[in-house]
Amino acid sequence: SQQGEEDPQALSIQEGENATMNCSYKTSINNLQWYRQNSGRGLVHLILIRSNEREKHSGRLRVTLDTSKKSSSLLITASRAADTASYFCATRRPAAGNKLTFGGGTRVLVKP
Amino acid sequence: GAVVSQHPSRVICKSGTSVKIECRSLDFQATTMFWYRQFPKQSLMLMATSNEGSKATYEQGVEKDKFLINHASLTLSTLTVTSAHPEDSSFYICSASPAGGLETQYFGPGTRLLVL
Repeated sequence: SQQGEEDPQALSIQEGENATMNCSYKTSINNLQWYRQNSGRGLVHLILIRSNEREKHSGRLRVTLDTSKKSSSLLITASRAADTASYFCATRRPAAGNKLTFGGGTRVLVKP
Repeated sequence: GAVVSQHPSRVICKSGTSVKIECRSLDFQATTMFWYRQFPKQSLMLMATSNEGSKATYEQGVEKDKFLINHASLTLSTLTVTSAHPEDSSFYICSASPAGGLETQYFGPGTRLLVL
């Protein structure tokens, strides 16, 4: 089963609005990462947050991590049409040999 | 940032043939490379981990005789889908980690395989 489960599975918003997606996981992690994937393309690394961190920012991206709830959120502020993509969380767990395990992804559509 | 390339980007083959996909790290030495498979609108599933100069470690349920992985150099890993069948049609993505940098994985652009 997937270590990371994301919700919503799909999100449709207007340009300029914020987009929030969540990721939950089941076992202890070393870090959690968020990736973007445009249709039919490879993955682009967005941000990494370590287990001892609670929040990180990168440009219009804000990631939070709550290890007590085993969940993370990715917020994209002031979205643009170019943000249309699938977003995946991935966890790195010591119990899994530190391999990356991906969540199911959230498909985001930003309408101009 | 570091660059990982894959070749080919897209391949169509007949059922029963074998297909080789290359994954190269262009500007760093990758001691570890990973191969993932992704079905449409689904997540990435790790198939195997390959370390340079040693045998690949396959995930549960992945047939090692079906998906041959070779990591012969620090910049190249290959995945060969042997005797491909239509159910092998998928998007195959590799990633690479530099020496001492397992926390960092750089992903290739993916290879779309269609088996007729």
